[in-house]
Amino acid sequence: GAGVSQSPSNKVTEKGKDVELRCDPISGHTALYWYRQSLGQGLEFLIYFQGNSAPDKSGLPSDRFSAERTGGSVSTLTIQRTQQEDSAVYLCASSSRTSGGRELFFGEGSRLTVL
Amino acid sequence: GENVEQHPSTLSVQEGDSAVIKCTYSDSASNYFPWYKQELGKRPQLIIDIRSNVGEKKDQRIAVTLNKTAKHFSLHITETQPEDSAVYFCAASKGGGGADGLTFGKGTHLIIQP
Repeated sequence: GAGVSQSPSNKVTEKGKDVELRCDPISGHTALYWYRQSLGQGLEFLIYFQGNSAPDKSGLPSDRFSAERTGGSVSTLTIQRTQQEDSAVYLCASSSRTSGGRELFFGEGSRLTVL
Repeated sequence: GENVEQHPSTLSVQEGDSAVIKCTYSDSASNYFPWYKQELGKRPQLIIDIRSNVGEKKDQRIAVTLNKTAKHFSLHITETQPEDSAVYFCAASKGGGGADGLTFGKGTHLIIQP
């Protein structure tokens, strides 16, 4: 596809369940980011992947959060034992990271609601 | 790490008037300052950016100014139109990506009154 694709677009789950959110970046983009957007809280950085380098996990809020990127393309964000405060929109973005290229291309997001 | 403050959180202006959104940053090493626009229910999209070697950049009705000494930068929208209604995010970066990637402000909800 032409843009960053995320699924599911909406997810409602019960407290304590695990969820997986998927991101398919723009083809050829080596950098992939996950952000969390809560109401009135802006864009909170979670994790960053760049090529084959070790990911920057400095933004993950707890050890219940993890992410993988297989084959340098698709990424999955996993939240274990979900809590109500995990409710938010999870945005994925990719970037080409070529010389001077810093624009982030965002997906539509996955809206997570934890009941 | 970098801290980006953005004001105001909500801004309401009459159609045709100008709107100004201001941001400050804390890390003097930051050298890249983009602005993203997020319409209701849509994804954020880059609208303009500025690098530390320039003080001002314009693109039609939008402009961004940068004051590195004071560590603040602003977005100016002139002749506002209904389609300008959105949430605007400023950000700052040292440009290395990853650990020193973009830090976003909390956003400004711009409302254009008809």
